[in-house]
Amino acid sequence: EVQLVESGGGLVQPGGSLRLSCAASGFTVTSNYMHWVRQAPGKGLEWVSVIYSGGSTYYADSVKGRFTISRHNSKNTLYLQMNSLRAEDTAVYYCGSSDYIGAPIDYWGQGTLVTVSS
Amino acid sequence: DIQMTQSPSSLSASVGDRVTITCRASQSISTFLNWYQQKPGKAPKLLIYTASSLQSGVPSSFSGSGSGTDFTLTISSLQPEDFATYYCQQSYSTPFTFGPGTKVDIK
Repeated sequence: EVQLVESGGGLVQPGGSLRLSCAASGFTVTSNYMHWVRQAPGKGLEWVSVIYSGGSTYYADSVKGRFTISRHNSKNTLYLQMNSLRAEDTAVYYCGSSDYIGAPIDYWGQGTLVTVSS
Repeated sequence: DIQMTQSPSSLSASVGDRVTITCRASQSISTFLNWYQQKPGKAPKLLIYTASSLQSGVPSSFSGSGSGTDFTLTISSLQPEDFATYYCQQSYSTPFTFGPGTKVDIK
């Protein structure tokens, strides 16, 4: 059974850093296309980043240069390193997986809340 | 970047109603269009992929159509469990943008 479990969310001050984790089971993160999607309180979904099976990475303009997506093969875990955090980064962060380029996100984690506030 | 719009932003409907939600892309995305359902406090759930393919386990009351820039999600007979927010998403090119959502609530 495919499962994604996020962790690492919490309260952080503006300008601070946080690393989110997404532990995968039932498949290997290196064989799929792994995404981060966020949702600010009361708002819609915002796609954040993807790492392709080959290792290429892409970001939304709103996080480019501040966030870094990566994965750890032996831990079968996806990460999102978030630096220079702003109040507008406050959101529930979901990880998700796709089977191929152009595929939908068919598996989602339960989400982890990041709050950026002083 | 490809911009996605949805209409309406919200609608009120009754159980048994036929509901149609429209999604438009700012440029052609072929059929790289997906639909998700989200309920409060829950992760999104994939309903339709590549514009018209029904995800496994999703009721056949859901259907999708369209290509290029214009797409629709139709619920043929609304059930109590269908009251939720629906999002379209393009998977044609990065950033894989979502539409703003359509909230379906009870009339």
